Amino acid sequence: GESVGLHLPTLSVQEGDNSIINCAYSNSASDYFIWYKQESGKGPQFIIDIRSNMDKRQGQRVTVLLNKTVKHLSLQIAATQPGDSAVYFCAERGPLTGGGNKLTFGTGTQLKVEL
Amino acid sequence: DGGITQSPKYLFRKEGQNVTLSCEQNLNHDAMYWYRQDPGQGLRLIYYSQIVNDFQKGDIAEGYSVSREKKESFPLTVTSAQKNPTAFYLCASSTTSGILNEQFFGPGTRLTVL
Repeated sequence: GESVGLHLPTLSVQEGDNSIINCAYSNSASDYFIWYKQESGKGPQFIIDIRSNMDKRQGQRVTVLLNKTVKHLSLQIAATQPGDSAVYFCAERGPLTGGGNKLTFGTGTQLKVEL
Repeated sequence: DGGITQSPKYLFRKEGQNVTLSCEQNLNHDAMYWYRQDPGQGLRLIYYSQIVNDFQKGDIAEGYSVSREKKESFPLTVTSAQKNPTAFYLCASSTTSGILNEQFFGPGTRLTVL
């Protein structure tokens, strides 16, 4: 079946450094991707999204890169701060049987920011 | 404030009991979803609803039931038939129109079976 996975389960970075979180996806028909941030005991929060017709999209301190050739997605966080410590999930959108869309989530990467 | 609320935050249940988790949204979204999250794992889809009075099974629907009598509400019942119900349950909603259908999540309910 189709799957979304992450290369690194845990990423430790120094405060102020840039972070890069990677994600591999297998469904070449996926047309939309989202990065979510989940803090302990809370629901996921939207960070940034990207459509499949784009290679790069920037937000505030975050950038998402999409490489459709190798089916790879990455999230870059600039000047990582202690408040960025969380689990980050990528999700890809595919069709639902009854119509509409379904998000398939990866297992997540734990980002730890060291002072 | 617009958003999704889930209650209760923590829920304890004895084996053999059914329990219902609440999910309410005031975002005027047509679609609502229930996910289950286990430690160190991603989210798995239990049930979803695209419109009022209609819902569909997700990937792990066995042992669960839902209803969608109102647009704002999508309660999930964890039945005694669910063999391993202890988990973190997340509700989400989204629009169904347009190209981008970001899902907004509630704060979650942590269910523990004693």
